[in-house]
Amino acid sequence: KQEVTQIPAALSVPEGENLVLNCSFTDSAIYNLQWFRQDPGKGLTSLLLIQSSQREQTSGRLNASLDKSSGRSTLYIAASQPGDSATYLCAVTQGNNRLAFGKGNQVVVIP
Amino acid sequence: DAGVIQSPRHEVTEMGQEVTLRCKPISGHDYLFWYRQTMMRGLELLIYFNNNVPIDDSGMPEDRFSAKMPNASFSTLKIQPSEPRDSAVYFCASRGGQYSNQPQHFGDGTRLSIL
Repeated sequence: KQEVTQIPAALSVPEGENLVLNCSFTDSAIYNLQWFRQDPGKGLTSLLLIQSSQREQTSGRLNASLDKSSGRSTLYIAASQPGDSATYLCAVTQGNNRLAFGKGNQVVVIP
Repeated sequence: DAGVIQSPRHEVTEMGQEVTLRCKPISGHDYLFWYRQTMMRGLELLIYFNNNVPIDDSGMPEDRFSAKMPNASFSTLKIQPSEPRDSAVYFCASRGGQYSNQPQHFGDGTRLSIL
């Protein structure tokens, strides 16, 4: 069974610092890996999707890398802002369309 | 694009009552997913449909849970009878495209409390 782990569960950073969030998964047989953002009381918003054949994806201040062989992904958020405060979830897609989620990193950016 | 629409946003009911959650996927999306989110277990896939047909319901916890998709623009998740341990946030998501390389779009969820 695929296990997705995100550590730490919560972190705080001062505004302007770069954020680094880590995700690990146990089964490398994945189609893709996605990073989502979840705001309190809201659903999930897809931030980046990395295909299994890709090494990274970038969107604005966000960059996500994927090392499938070692079962790891990292989400970088450059020059963090208070508006980046949210929970970030990592999820991997397996062959049967199932998304396996980590429990998330709850981020607070301190002004 | 109106996004995935779920109703109700909040539901509070007593144990033993029937609960029906509703979802309208994004128009044109042919995959629909139901998830449950709890603090203990995180996000879990309950069931998903492709072209209105249930494909994988292995995540449905018990026979008390059932889901239907009578047409491309509507799905329901029903719990009967409900129990306190069913309290959670239930999300619906939809996805377009034949392959898994498209992101899923989530609704804002239904926060369910069973007393």
